[in-house]
Amino acid sequence: QKEVEQDPGPLSVPEGAIVSLNCTYSNSAFQYFMWYRQYSRKGPELLMYTYSSGNKEDGRFTAQVDKSSKYISLFIRDSQPSDSATYLCALAQGAQKLVFGQGTRLTINP
Amino acid sequence: GAVVSQHPSWVICKSGTSVKIECRSLDFQATTMFWYRQFPKQSLMLMATSNEGSKATYEQGVEKDKFLINHASLTLSTLTVTSAHPEDSSFYICSAEGTDVGGYTFGSGTRLTVV
Repeated sequence: QKEVEQDPGPLSVPEGAIVSLNCTYSNSAFQYFMWYRQYSRKGPELLMYTYSSGNKEDGRFTAQVDKSSKYISLFIRDSQPSDSATYLCALAQGAQKLVFGQGTRLTINP
Repeated sequence: GAVVSQHPSWVICKSGTSVKIECRSLDFQATTMFWYRQFPKQSLMLMATSNEGSKATYEQGVEKDKFLINHASLTLSTLTVTSAHPEDSSFYICSAEGTDVGGYTFGSGTRLTVV
């Protein structure tokens, strides 16, 4: 069993839709939870960073962490074609290496 | 926000030569830097972790004599691919973790093609 599981997609939705991206994990020692967006041939860009259960909102993005269920989500509201990218969840134990999900390829259709 | 500058963004080299990739943290001190390799349509694969002034810690299966990592200062880390071969062609990305920086900041990546 992988430490972090993420549905690789691809996921295709119409513009304006609400997108839900999810990851599950098995190691309860993970303390830090991140979502990255990666465009083709570019480095990952940090979207959201949190370390507690609950919701964190930033503009159209909401990160949700449920430590009891070992489940994290990223919601994108009013999705735009420019949101088309690969989204990676990443988890860490303290200042240690990140463990990535497989990444979900998302396409927003105009 | 925190920025990591990675250079070059792409490089083509002949088989048998060495290539150096640099990563600099521009506005924070990077206590730890990570080097990744990414194949098309796959997630990032961690190659090594380096702390300033210490030897890098390599992941299992990564040849430390082939992928030389130097982290001589809190703002600069380099990855040198020695005696490159076509199978080393890939996308290499660095990331940095520093004090008072939320999350891990990634460089823009280097596309290496060995011909």
